[in-house]
Amino acid sequence: DTGVSQDPRHKITKRGQNVTFRCDPISEHNRLYWYRQTLGQGPEFLTYFQNEAQLEKSRLLSDRFSAERPKGSFSTLEIQRTEQGDSAMYLCASSLVQGGADTQYFGPGTRLTVL
Amino acid sequence: AQKITQTQPGMFVQEKEAVTLDCTYDTSDPSYGLFWYKQPSSGEMIFLIYQGSYDQQNATEGRYSLNFQKARKSANLVISASQLGDSAMYFCAMMPYNTDKLIFGTGTRLQVFP
Repeated sequence: DTGVSQDPRHKITKRGQNVTFRCDPISEHNRLYWYRQTLGQGPEFLTYFQNEAQLEKSRLLSDRFSAERPKGSFSTLEIQRTEQGDSAMYLCASSLVQGGADTQYFGPGTRLTVL
Repeated sequence: AQKITQTQPGMFVQEKEAVTLDCTYDTSDPSYGLFWYKQPSSGEMIFLIYQGSYDQQNATEGRYSLNFQKARKSANLVISASQLGDSAMYFCAMMPYNTDKLIFGTGTRLQVFP
């Protein structure tokens, strides 16, 4: 049973550079979520997709952030012109919505460090 | 405002003992789900247990049980027979059913000692 995978696991970049992260959800899951977690805090919601449609974006997601899920399978999260405040763990989660609890299963995360 | 509060930044428990991690929540939505996740030092969030707001019985999953007190808006996690591998951060989260996102607390760091 393959879980949620994320790539890369770690990314170090210089301020002003663009970065892109990938998330592969559990294969039959129709929803995919992105969260951001800073040190000492719980994860905060960024955005989510149902199949290929992006249904909600948090106000945390500035214009420099964009997410896609082009074929309703994997997703990418791009950050343009990175800032030091973007340093965080970026977590992806997926779920299968079929009534009842929408239990989200998380990947291992991508830890971003902006120098 | 919808919020999760975890007032214990850290907890210690001896191996084989039980421990309770506190969680209170605030929501005006009548329907919601409550979740607990474990986050080891490696970083991944591991789903532990779920409780629906209309569930009559407290949820249990192996050594994990959720002490759900709806009137007090609390959803405490009880871990029985603690093991060294239980040492991790534990997060309580809520999903009001009119949204599709999890709202997390700040977590409790549990350390199990021999």
